[in-house]
Amino acid sequence: DTAVSQTPKYLVTQMGNDKSIKCEQNLGHDTMYWYKQDSKKFLKIMFSYNNKELIINETVPNRFSPKSPDKAHLNLHINSLELGDSAVYFCASSQIQGGDAEAFFGQGTRLTVV
Amino acid sequence: AQSVTQLGSHVSVSEGALVLLRCNYSSSVPPYLFWYVQYPNQGLQLLLKYTSAATLVKGINGFEAEFKKSETSFHLTKPSAHMSDAAEYFCAVSEAGTALIFGKGTTLSVSS
Repeated sequence: DTAVSQTPKYLVTQMGNDKSIKCEQNLGHDTMYWYKQDSKKFLKIMFSYNNKELIINETVPNRFSPKSPDKAHLNLHINSLELGDSAVYFCASSQIQGGDAEAFFGQGTRLTVV
Repeated sequence: AQSVTQLGSHVSVSEGALVLLRCNYSSSVPPYLFWYVQYPNQGLQLLLKYTSAATLVKGINGFEAEFKKSETSFHLTKPSAHMSDAAEYFCAVSEAGTALIFGKGTTLSVSS
């Protein structure tokens, strides 16, 4: 039973399209995240979200928007895709309140924009 | 602001040799520190974590790390490398209540 699952695993799309990546966690954690891993394998936090607060990394373009239908889901919607958006996107979750912030990661979504 | 520096983007060792991957952190409050491993085309897996208990932390697959406050370091070691240890290793820091901030990663290569 996968703790953090994200779909799809691979996504190939054309410039200008809008796409979404879905993420679900079954760990009961209070906080979820989206990270971007670029071609040099650098992991950068994009968003963190719990029931109370969305924290946005100020360097993330506003074409990227997280959407959370409930505590166990945090989807990533991307508008007007650009070539530079090609990367691997990781969803993660952790327990911040009363926890140690250990993050559990999904398997990643490799996005290729052509 | 918290940050992590991993010294050496690529480390090469022979099978059976000592593995030492270096990590220095910057944090304004006592941090939580983590080492994660990433195998090709996979997600990140936790190796070990420091959360203000014992300064010497033991993790999975024979890895361990020592928290040294005076040196602001959290280096990862393994006494004897195995071919299966070849992967990307990430050090990360969190100040309570914040997302993990990762270093740039170190690629570990193991030769026979």
